[in-house]
Amino acid sequence: DTEVTQTPKHLVMGMTNKKSLKCEQHMGHRAMYWYKQKAKKPPELMFVYSYEKLSINESVPSRFSPECPNSSLLNLHLHALQPEDSALYLCASSQEGGRNQPQHFGDGTRLSIL
Amino acid sequence: ELKVEQNPLFLSMQEGKNYTIYCNYSTTSDRLYWYRQDPGKSLESLFVLLSNGAVKQEGRLMASLDTKARLSTLHITAAVHDLSATYFCAEGFSGNTPLVFGKGTRLSVIA
Repeated sequence: DTEVTQTPKHLVMGMTNKKSLKCEQHMGHRAMYWYKQKAKKPPELMFVYSYEKLSINESVPSRFSPECPNSSLLNLHLHALQPEDSALYLCASSQEGGRNQPQHFGDGTRLSIL
Repeated sequence: ELKVEQNPLFLSMQEGKNYTIYCNYSTTSDRLYWYRQDPGKSLESLFVLLSNGAVKQEGRLMASLDTKARLSTLHITAAVHDLSATYFCAEGFSGNTPLVFGKGTRLSVIA
């Protein structure tokens, strides 16, 4: 069991659909992250939110739109995705100034684009 | 450019044997993490290493950090099948700066 909860666990969508991935943590962490992971590769950073503000966008296409409604929630809105966007999407959170604390990862959402 | 290099990338080892995974990083980071990932699963934190000479052990795994050599090692003692997974090292920085991951070492422990 992880302290970062992601829903849904699996998502299959067509290229014209709009869907959202959700992430929630109640550890009081003020930084939250979205990563994309392709099979047999390390996670690749997409976005970082710090104190509910977007602090890093790693040149992610606009078909991915992050949102941080409050300090516990992080969403990733998806629209007009491509087949190459199929991957495991991981959410993580970390403590502000928490040098001795790792990033905590959720179980991920496995996304398949048809 | 920030870079974290792990080797080997693939490791097949017999049960009961010992082996070491190496992680070289490119900058003067102030923290180094080791994560484990089982197929189709998330990343599980194993160790956080903060200072030169730090050594941490959990069961059959022991991690160390040499900041002068920019090297961390993950030593496996008397491997068992349950240790089969992919192991990532990741370099961390102050503030909420994202981690820089190595490519991962896919470990397979065979009988």
